[in-house]
Amino acid sequence: DQQVKQNSPSLSVQEGRISILNCDYTNSMFDYFLWYKKYPAEGPTFLISISSIKDKNEDGRFTVFLNKSAKHLSLHIVPSQPGDSAVYFCAATDSGGGADGLTFGKGTHLIIQP
Amino acid sequence: EPEVTQTPSHQVTQMGQEVILRCVPISNHLYFYWYRQILGQKVEFLVSFYNNEISEKSEIFDDQFSVERPDGSNFTLKIRSTKLEDSAMYFCASSESTTGNQPQHFGDGTRLSIL
Repeated sequence: DQQVKQNSPSLSVQEGRISILNCDYTNSMFDYFLWYKKYPAEGPTFLISISSIKDKNEDGRFTVFLNKSAKHLSLHIVPSQPGDSAVYFCAATDSGGGADGLTFGKGTHLIIQP
Repeated sequence: EPEVTQTPSHQVTQMGQEVILRCVPISNHLYFYWYRQILGQKVEFLVSFYNNEISEKSEIFDDQFSVERPDGSNFTLKIRSTKLEDSAMYFCASSESTTGNQPQHFGDGTRLSIL
């Protein structure tokens, strides 16, 4: 059961250009969405999140967009830098009460080319 | 910046043996979590813990698993009788709260290898 889907296993982007990573979800109860970045041999590092009451959240070079009607979110990185090369995970949860676990996508491996 | 720390980084255990994975969450965090990632698969939620009791658990978290906060700083995951399929990366995470949508912060994981 894939409640959170990242359909692109990998994405290659030139340094300085915009990277756009996509994520779709199926569970209508999800109301809080997060993006994590992961380097090999490290744990996921929190990047940015968005609540379902918003459609955009921005933090420096990172912007997350949420389209609730399409059950789709995207992460924009601009400009892309070599250190952005990593695996990016989309995650979601139903935050209504209790310490809910996150449901993760399979990840997208972003490669920034010089 | 405060971080979640996990020990050991790699644990090798014979099938059928008990194993305890240890985590020190971020000090002012109140909610604690365990996840696992089998090689090539998604990160999967196992269990969450708040106020000295399990808050939620997934189908994966069966009777072979248990969690404990033995003192004010450590949070442990015990697997009673390990199976080959328990081989995975195990990640601990913590969050300040669940209200106000606080993110979970992860440790670097323990690689568990069952022989």
